[in-house]
Amino acid sequence: AQKVTQAQTEISVVEKEDVTLDCVYETRDTTYYLFWYKQPPSGELVFLIRRNSFDEQNEISGRYSWNFQKSTSSFNFTITASQVVDSAVYFCALSQNSGYSTLTFGKGTMLLVSP
Amino acid sequence: DTAVSQTPKYLVTQMGNDKSIKCEQNLGHDTMYWYKQDSKKFLKIMFSYNNKELIINETVPNRFSPKSPDKAHLNLHINSLELGDSAVYFCASSYKQGPDTQYFGPGTRLTVL
Repeated sequence: AQKVTQAQTEISVVEKEDVTLDCVYETRDTTYYLFWYKQPPSGELVFLIRRNSFDEQNEISGRYSWNFQKSTSSFNFTITASQVVDSAVYFCALSQNSGYSTLTFGKGTMLLVSP
Repeated sequence: DTAVSQTPKYLVTQMGNDKSIKCEQNLGHDTMYWYKQDSKKFLKIMFSYNNKELIINETVPNRFSPKSPDKAHLNLHINSLELGDSAVYFCASSYKQGPDTQYFGPGTRLTVL
């Protein structure tokens, strides 16, 4: 069985602070995929990143960066110089590498960035 | 150009009624999904269809019946609505089955009174 744990329920920061959202996963598969989605207050789910289990390189996209460590089964997400528009619920998710796989989501971390 | 669209965005109805939510994707994807997001924001898969064929049914009550008239559409019909059905329902699509990236619709907030 798969499981995704986002231990931080809520994080509050002040604008321009850096913040890291933790994600720990469990799976018996050797090949799998990890995702992050953003859900802003408007409610839609926005895809941010997809990473496969063979690619442990860190990824950077503007102020966003992701740190994938298989040794600790973690896929953490860092926002540098946070902005008010980053306020949202962020979901980490896991998918097996099989035909009938689907997404197993963590419970989400609500990030509140204050001006 | 909305990639995955859902209608309606909001749905308020009485217990016992029957209602439908429609979903359409213009991405040319083969696979579509329905997810339920509860009041605590937890997202759970309900159904998955590949090329109009049901491939995943996650022990959802049979009051919920998905229908896929073609691979661009996946509708969700709910019979005899109950208070516990109140939630946000998301439709999603991906290029194919498997661990492909899923793109989500805007969600339908269903409130059962």
